[in-house]
Amino acid sequence: DAGVIQSPRHEVTEMGQEVTLRCKPISGHDYLFWYRQTMMRGLELLIYFNNNVPIDDSGMPEDRFSAKMPNASFSTLKIQPSEPRDSAVYFCASSFNARDRLYGYTFGSGTRLTVV
Amino acid sequence: AQKITQTQPGMFVQEKEAVTLDCTYDTSDPSYGLFWYKQPSSGEMIFLIYQGSYDQQNATEGRYSLNFQKARKSANLVISASQLGDSAMYFCAMREKNLYNFNKFYFGSGTKLNVKP
Repeated sequence: DAGVIQSPRHEVTEMGQEVTLRCKPISGHDYLFWYRQTMMRGLELLIYFNNNVPIDDSGMPEDRFSAKMPNASFSTLKIQPSEPRDSAVYFCASSFNARDRLYGYTFGSGTRLTVV
Repeated sequence: AQKITQTQPGMFVQEKEAVTLDCTYDTSDPSYGLFWYKQPSSGEMIFLIYQGSYDQQNATEGRYSLNFQKARKSANLVISASQLGDSAMYFCAMREKNLYNFNKFYFGSGTKLNVKP
């Protein structure tokens, strides 16, 4: 299995631009998570999906952030408009709930976003 | 109150010695799960070990073991025979169910471990 695949690995954009981060979870996993990591705030859970349905989006910082999961093999996190304070590493993770004690949550390599 | 507390921002350990990384948690859910992850300088997050709240025995996985003290709400990670490759950030995490019976997930702030040769 190729693991959780995120794209792009790095993104540099100008303030005000729209940014779309992409994630392909591991096939068969029923949970998908979006996390943001910064030095100041550590790892923050933004939103998670169960069977493609958003369950908890309480971590989404504001309306500029939106996430979708149109099918079991793809999810996007969009920031519109982007701001410099959105600069962070964004991780996508997936898991199979019944097996999370064995395998935990598998993280992608992350997208390093820089907004200038 | 913090859901997951890691009180050691940084630690040093001599190669081949054992080290304990502290983690305390706060939950009222009787059925919860605790996880430890490793994040090397390369940035990826690596799952290490899991402890369920109903597990009778402490979890072990190779050189990793979890010192689970349920009454104290602590889940310390013990790494035996430290290796240079163990130098990384270590995160404690918890999964619990909230009042509406859906999962909530929390990560601690992490402990940076440096293994000295």
